[in-house]
Amino acid sequence: DGGITQSPKYLFRKEGQNVTLSCEQNLNHDAMYWYRQDPGQGLRLIYYSQIVNDFQKGDIAEGYSVSREKKESFPLTVTSAQKNPTAFYLCASSITNSGNTIYFGEGSWLTVV
Amino acid sequence: GQNIDQPTEMTATEGAIVQINCTYQTSGFNGLFWYQQHAGEAPTFLSYNVLDGLEEKGRFSSFLSRSKGYSYLLLKELQMKDSASYLCAVRVNQAGTALIFGKGTTLSVSS
Repeated sequence: DGGITQSPKYLFRKEGQNVTLSCEQNLNHDAMYWYRQDPGQGLRLIYYSQIVNDFQKGDIAEGYSVSREKKESFPLTVTSAQKNPTAFYLCASSITNSGNTIYFGEGSWLTVV
Repeated sequence: GQNIDQPTEMTATEGAIVQINCTYQTSGFNGLFWYQQHAGEAPTFLSYNVLDGLEEKGRFSSFLSRSKGYSYLLLKELQMKDSASYLCAVRVNQAGTALIFGKGTTLSVSS
């Protein structure tokens, strides 16, 4: 089936540790995105990538890093510099035509313990 | 800066009609989207407007006025399963094809 796969679904991290969230899509989409969702905050854009080997910071990029070495993959690393990482993380993808919607993966819940 | 405003919460009864408003002030505009999100799940696409006017899709309709920076989502014949958050999102030129989201409106439908 075509879609966006995020893993793991649930992740616990100790303070001071880096953690990487995986996002893979087989939709042949050029653009991929990472959003963070906190209660009452809506979705906030962390990073986005319009094409392989290129990515741009969103509104809340501090404490996060990404790579886009392959079209189908856009992993997100939550570093120890991110002061409040506990959140629901959503990966999405789309074609680059501006009239097209973006499609979301099922999300990853990250909890810092 | 980008600013997208929606009411935080709304309530309605089964069978009724509800209108969820969204106003936006953004640097550049390249389309407005509405998504539905059930608790703990991913958002799913409902509608897209880029030109002024009304787009109808079954029980859901969405309206856009670009001059007023205003949109609404209209839900008819409400069902219990429509209880969810409704997210208004704008595509702005400065963020490529990424969407900038409002904080969402939580709709509770009662019998």
